[in-house]
Parts: sequence; structure tokens; C-alpha cells
Amino acid sequence: DADVTQTPRNRITKTGKRIMLECSQTKGHDRMYWYRQDPGLGLRLIYYSFDVKDINKGEISDGYSVSRQAQAKFSLSLESAIPNQTALYFCATSDPGLDTGELFFGEGSRLTVL
Amino acid sequence: QKEVEQNSGPLSVPEGAIASLNCTYSDRGSQSFFWYRQYSGKSPELIMSIYSNGDKEDGRFTAQLNKASQYVSLLIRDSQPSDSATYLCAVKHSNDYKLSFGAGTTVTVRA
Repeated sequence: DADVTQTPRNRITKTGKRIMLECSQTKGHDRMYWYRQDPGLGLRLIYYSFDVKDINKGEISDGYSVSRQAQAKFSLSLESAIPNQTALYFCATSDPGLDTGELFFGEGSRLTVL
Repeated sequence: QKEVEQNSGPLSVPEGAIASLNCTYSDRGSQSFFWYRQYSGKSPELIMSIYSNGDKEDGRFTAQLNKASQYVSLLIRDSQPSDSATYLCAVKHSNDYKLSFGAGTTVTVRA
């Protein structure tokens, strides 16, 4: 089983719908992140959390919200999806003890908004 | 100006050749630099990290860092078809815990 698990892996939805992407991890890391990946733009940080009580906006947080339900769970919500939120979304974790900057990614959630 | 810029590619090299990937960054105070590899349809995985000026070698991969020029590169020697992937440069900002990624360079190794 993957150490960082994302659900759903693929989702097609319509404009205006509420969508939740879920992430769970078994690595025991405190730090969790949500990135989106678009062709030609690379990975861009949406939100990050360094512990259950800590939530921070990344560079492109507008239109998104997150919830850190437990150390191991970090979910991303699109309250009212729009077509330009069509992208590949990655959840990632990191170990603050090492502070090497290494991120451990989930397998990705491909979202299409029609 | 983007925080992290990579040569756009795609880069096509014959098997056995050297693939050279370049990355520049804007934050002069950045301290840590990383190369991730992402196979098509997969998630990124870390292959190299470098923190000091100079070269760092790991098998067929060599990372080079020049902080004065705000430049980091990755050389892949004896390129193999299995090296065909997108390579992402990532930079850790000074006084920060987040990584900024470049757009990636796609490498294709021709057999």
C-alpha cells in the first residue's frame, strides 16, 4: 500500500459542484501539502499544514479550502468548482525532523471540471 | 519573473549520451536545491539534493550548484531509455519550509 493515499484518483464534475479530495498518510509526518500541477506551470502550492492546528495558504489558495482532520488526514475542497480548476492534484508530506526538503507525494487526483 | 525557471525542452538525447538540464532561481537567499523525477502519469520522486556550491555525484547523476549565478543543473551521464521522464527543479526558500518548483523539463532518451 502507498504511504500517501489520495482519493478519488479521477473525478469528472460539473461547474458549481462541491468537490473534496482526500489524503491520508502512514508516514507519521506532521507536515502535509496540497499542490496542483498544470502543463507548463509545474507544481504550485495550494495549502500546507505543519500540524493539526496549523493551516497556511500557499501561492494559489483562492477557490480552495482545506481541513486537517488528524495528523494523518488532510483534505482539499473546492466549494464551487470551475473549469480552470481542472488539473492534477497532489498531496505530499515531509518530515520536519530531517528538514531535507524531501516531499513524499501521493499518486495524484486528476480532476476535470466541465 | 518566475521564482524557479527551467529550460523548457523537450530534450531528446540518444542512448548513452549526456543529458544536461538547467535551472535558475530568483531568491538569492535560497539554501537548498532539489531535482525530482516524474514519470508520465506518476508522482514526482526526489533523485538529488544539493546544498553547497560545486558538484554532487550520485551514480549517473551529477548536480551542480552556483549560488553566485543562482544556477543549478543536473547532468545525466550514459542516458538510458529508463531516464525518459520530466525533471523538476525545486528550491527551498530561505527562512521558509516550502518548496517552489520549476515547470519541468521533459527528457526523451532515444534507443
